[in-house]
Amino acid sequence: GENVEQHPSTLSVQEGDSAVIKCTYSDSASNYFPWYKQELGKGPQLIIDIRSNVGEKKDQRIAVTLNKTAKHFSLHITETQPEDSAVYFCAASMGNRDDKIIFGKGTRLHILP
Amino acid sequence: DTGVSQDPRHKITKRGQNVTFRCDPISEHNRLYWYRQTLGQGPEFLTYFQNEAQLEKSRLLSDRFSAERPKGSFSTLEIQRTEQGDSAMYLCASSRPSSGNTIYFGEGSWLTVV
Repeated sequence: GENVEQHPSTLSVQEGDSAVIKCTYSDSASNYFPWYKQELGKGPQLIIDIRSNVGEKKDQRIAVTLNKTAKHFSLHITETQPEDSAVYFCAASMGNRDDKIIFGKGTRLHILP
Repeated sequence: DTGVSQDPRHKITKRGQNVTFRCDPISEHNRLYWYRQTLGQGPEFLTYFQNEAQLEKSRLLSDRFSAERPKGSFSTLEIQRTEQGDSAMYLCASSRPSSGNTIYFGEGSWLTVV
């Protein structure tokens, strides 16, 4: 079955600097890769997603890149702000199914003042 | 457009008791998912419905767990004879395949079994 590995597990960056979180997946048939942000005591909130027919997608300070050959995808946050502090999860579809996604274990991002 | 709604948000129960959680999906979302999340882990898939049909159940879902979506709208997740290992956050999510099937989560229901 699909396996999603995420690293680092914890990341601290100075406010204003960039943060990068990387994920790898095992199923070459996976075609959908969402990223979620989770704040303490809340449910995961979708922040950006990418499908396999696209190599990069950007939304303001957030961008995601996908390398299908290497089976890895990354989240890039530029000009980090204190409100970016949270746990971030990558996920990948189970093969080419659109009804099930498998999550990584998460990255706790700390934005330092 | 209201989000996914879950109730209760927090539940403390004694071991051996039964608990039930309710989820109201986003309007017109015909797919509804249940996930479980423990501290320091990502959400783990439990089961999902398309309309009222339960299409898949994870091996994580023991016989003590049952989920229903009788009219294809709200869903309930019942845990019978709770055990301390059931302590987790139970997340509900919904999606609509006609809109790319992006999955949206609720705020979760925290269960503590003492």
